[in-house]
Amino acid sequence: AQTVTQSQPEMSVQEAETVTLSCTYDTSESDYYLFWYKQPPSRQMILVIRQEAYKQQNATENRFSVNFQKAAKSFSLKISDSQLGDAAMYFCAYRSAVNYNQGGKLIFGQGTELSVKP
Amino acid sequence: GAVVSQHPSWVICKSGTSVKIECRSLDFQATTMFWYRQFPKQSLMLMATSNEGSKATYEQGVEKDKFLINHASLTLSTLTVTSAHPEDSSFYICSAQPFDRGWTEAFFGQGTRLTVV
Repeated sequence: AQTVTQSQPEMSVQEAETVTLSCTYDTSESDYYLFWYKQPPSRQMILVIRQEAYKQQNATENRFSVNFQKAAKSFSLKISDSQLGDAAMYFCAYRSAVNYNQGGKLIFGQGTELSVKP
Repeated sequence: GAVVSQHPSWVICKSGTSVKIECRSLDFQATTMFWYRQFPKQSLMLMATSNEGSKATYEQGVEKDKFLINHASLTLSTLTVTSAHPEDSSFYICSAQPFDRGWTEAFFGQGTRLTVV
């Protein structure tokens, strides 16, 4: 079974600074998807960034980028120029690529609570 | 973007009664939807996979008779918490993955906060 681990329950960053959230996962599959989701106080889940395992290039979305290390099974999220609105719970998630056309369940890490100091 | 709507946003019910939560995909068809449960400051735990036109697949440890799932159409899945008890109080979230995102990108409902008194 696949597992996702986020070892940082809480992180703090100064506004405009950079912060990196860690995530490791365990799987025996070779093809899968990885995601970072943000859950603000409203509790609405928002997709931040996604990475396909077959792609070597790290995904980027504006101020958000990942460091995907497939061999090490590591998938960290870097937030640059942190803003007050980035304060939220961040979840790392894994999705198998098997049966991709049927939709697939997400396996979430424990979450990292990010606070942004003005 | 794809929209998943969940209703109600919050509900309070008496112990022993049943509560139904709806999850709708508003602008896409979803043959599969997922139901998660989240306790405060904790992660999302998958409860079950809802399959249109067939029985739901429950995760280990989830009581199928307690949490009834019906996926009667391509845009609606319902979760009914039967004979609710205070320990069922939690935040329930549904999600679905549109075809035009390659079924890979999950969109989530707003969630339902259930309080059983």
